[in-house]
Amino acid sequence: DVKVTQSSRYLVKRTGEKVFLECVQDMDHENMFWYRQDPGLGLRLIYFSYDVKMKEKGDIPEGYSVSREKKERFSLILESASTNQTSMYLCASSLPYQPQHFGDGTRLSIL
Amino acid sequence: GQQLNQSPQSMFIQEGEDVSMNCTSSSIFNTWLWYKQDPGEGPVLLIALYKAGELTSNGRLTAQFGITRKDSFLNISASIPSDVGIYFCAGQGNTGNQFYFGTGTSLTVIP
Repeated sequence: DVKVTQSSRYLVKRTGEKVFLECVQDMDHENMFWYRQDPGLGLRLIYFSYDVKMKEKGDIPEGYSVSREKKERFSLILESASTNQTSMYLCASSLPYQPQHFGDGTRLSIL
Repeated sequence: GQQLNQSPQSMFIQEGEDVSMNCTSSSIFNTWLWYKQDPGEGPVLLIALYKAGELTSNGRLTAQFGITRKDSFLNISASIPSDVGIYFCAGQGNTGNQFYFGTGTSLTVIP
């Protein structure tokens, strides 16, 4: 079974902090994705990566950056956290053109 | 990014009733997926559809790939309390690796 592991289930940070959300997958998937989920808005794509050191902007990249130094790990970085970034963050991975497998999410609160 | 219209937004049904939900797109898709998200968890893939007109079942769940390739449907028969959750559709077109997600249908089953 594919396992996508997000480092924290719950996280509380302060405005202005730099925040790192980590995601690791164990199935040698090329593709990795970061989404945020807000009530009524579904899943919105922040960034994705098709290969190591490669990244592409999704629909809402502003205020975020990503890092993919190793194939199995995809990190989401909030450069200077703001209250409007309070949300559920979901990481996913997949083989090319195949369905995505999701982690359990990180519920992030910015105070 | 691509928007999928998913309806209804929420449903409250009695245990034992059947459920229908659908997803429509302005673009043609080659693949349709249906996911379920349990409270506090990440989405889990339920059914994948790869051909127009395809009808696929997974237990009490049945999904169809619309003949126009711009829509998909999910039916749940004889609902039970553990069907509670958010159901997402996702579609993939010709342009690239990305799946686009609907806004979700929140299902509540009343025992």
